[in-house]
Amino acid sequence: AQKVTQAQTEISVVEKEDVTLDCVYETRDTTYYLFWYKQPPSGELVFLIRRNSFDEQNEISGRYSWNFQKSTSSFNFTITASQVVDSAVYFCALSDSSGYSTLTFGKGTMLLVSP
Amino acid sequence: DTAVSQTPKYLVTQMGNDKSIKCEQNLGHDTMYWYKQDSKKFLKIMFSYNNKELIINETVPNRFSPKSPDKAHLNLHINSLELGDSAVYFCASSQQQVTYEQYFGPGTRLTVT
Repeated sequence: AQKVTQAQTEISVVEKEDVTLDCVYETRDTTYYLFWYKQPPSGELVFLIRRNSFDEQNEISGRYSWNFQKSTSSFNFTITASQVVDSAVYFCALSDSSGYSTLTFGKGTMLLVSP
Repeated sequence: DTAVSQTPKYLVTQMGNDKSIKCEQNLGHDTMYWYKQDSKKFLKIMFSYNNKELIINETVPNRFSPKSPDKAHLNLHINSLELGDSAVYFCASSQQQVTYEQYFGPGTRLTVT
């Protein structure tokens, strides 16, 4: 069975601080996909990134970066120089590589960025 | 243009009623899903459809019945609503075996009183 653990329930930072959201996953599959989604206060779920299990390269997109480490089964997300607009719940998710896979979500980390 | 749309956005109803939520995607995807988000924000898959065929049914009570008239639509009908059905329901779609990421609708907040 697949499992995603986001141990941080809530994180509070002040604007311009860097913050890292942790994600640890469990799967028996050798091929799988990892995702991050953002859910702002307005409620929609916004796709941020997909990473497959064969690609351990870190990724950077503007102020966002992701660190995938297979050895520790972790896929952590860092926001550099946080802004108030980053305040949201962030979900890490996992899917297998079958043709009809679904997402197994972590419980989410609520990030509060204050001015 | 909205990629994945759901109607209604809010639904308030009494216990015992029957209600439907509609979902449409214009992304040309072949797979659609329903997820439930509870009051603690936990997201869980309910159903998955591929090309109008039910693929996954995750131990959801049979009061919940999804229907897919075509691959761009996946509706959710709920019979005999209970208090515990109160949640936010999200529709999503993806193109399987190509990109895997799922794109979500705006959600429908169902409140059962």
